[in-house]
Amino acid sequence: QQQVKQSPQSLIVQKGGISIINCAYENTAFDYFPWYQQFPGKGPALLIAIRPDVSEKKEGRFTISFNKSAKQFSLHIMDSQPGDSATYFCAAEPSGTYKYIFGTGTRLKVLA
Amino acid sequence: SQTIHQWPATLVQPVGSPLSLECTVEGTSNPNLYWYRQAAGRGLQLLFYSVGIGQISSEVPQNLSASRPQDRQFILSSKKLLLSDSGFYLCAWRGRGLRSDYEQYFGPGTRLTVT
Repeated sequence: QQQVKQSPQSLIVQKGGISIINCAYENTAFDYFPWYQQFPGKGPALLIAIRPDVSEKKEGRFTISFNKSAKQFSLHIMDSQPGDSATYFCAAEPSGTYKYIFGTGTRLKVLA
Repeated sequence: SQTIHQWPATLVQPVGSPLSLECTVEGTSNPNLYWYRQAAGRGLQLLFYSVGIGQISSEVPQNLSASRPQDRQFILSSKKLLLSDSGFYLCAWRGRGLRSDYEQYFGPGTRLTVT
C-alpha cells in the first residue's frame, strides 16, 4: 500500500526560528505534493504545493523542497510566528488517481 | 469564486441512530467530491469520492455510505451509528479542466459525537 511518512509528529519552535517538516513517499509515480495547514476545529487549508518537475517552490515565508531521487519533500517555515501554530499535513497524489494520500500530520507550536 | 458548505456544524447522536451529513459546492460545475474522516488528533482518512452524479467509490469498508444526487451535492449517510463513527467529517472538492485542477479544497467540517 502506498504511504506517505511524515515527521516529526510534533515540533516546538521559538518565534523567528525555522520550522522544518519532512515527508517521504514510497512510490515514484506521484503527480502532485500539497501541504495543508489546519487550525483546531477547522477544515485543512491548502498552503503550498509542488509538482515533481520542480525542486523548490517559495511563497512568502513558506518553502517546499523536493528531492525526487530521495523520494522526499519538506516544508520550511521561515521566521515562524505564533500564528503559525497549527497542524500541518503533507500529501501526495498517485498518478491518475485524483486522490491524495496524506501524511499523519505534524503539530507545530511556535513560542512567543 | 468557489465555496463549499457543510452542515450541520456539530451533531450529537445516540448509538444506533441514522446519520445524514450534507455537503454542497458553489461556483463550479462537475467537481470531484470527497468525504474524509478525522479522528481526534489524527490524520485524514478518505472515506468516499465521486467523479460524477451517482458515481461513488468507497475507500474503506464500514458502516457508512455516500450518495451524489446532484452535481454539486454530496451526502454521507449511515443507517445505524456506532461509537467508532465519532469524528470530524470533512468534505472536499476538486475542479476539472482548471489550471490548478490538482488542488483539493476542504469545507469547514462536521463534528459528530456518537453517545
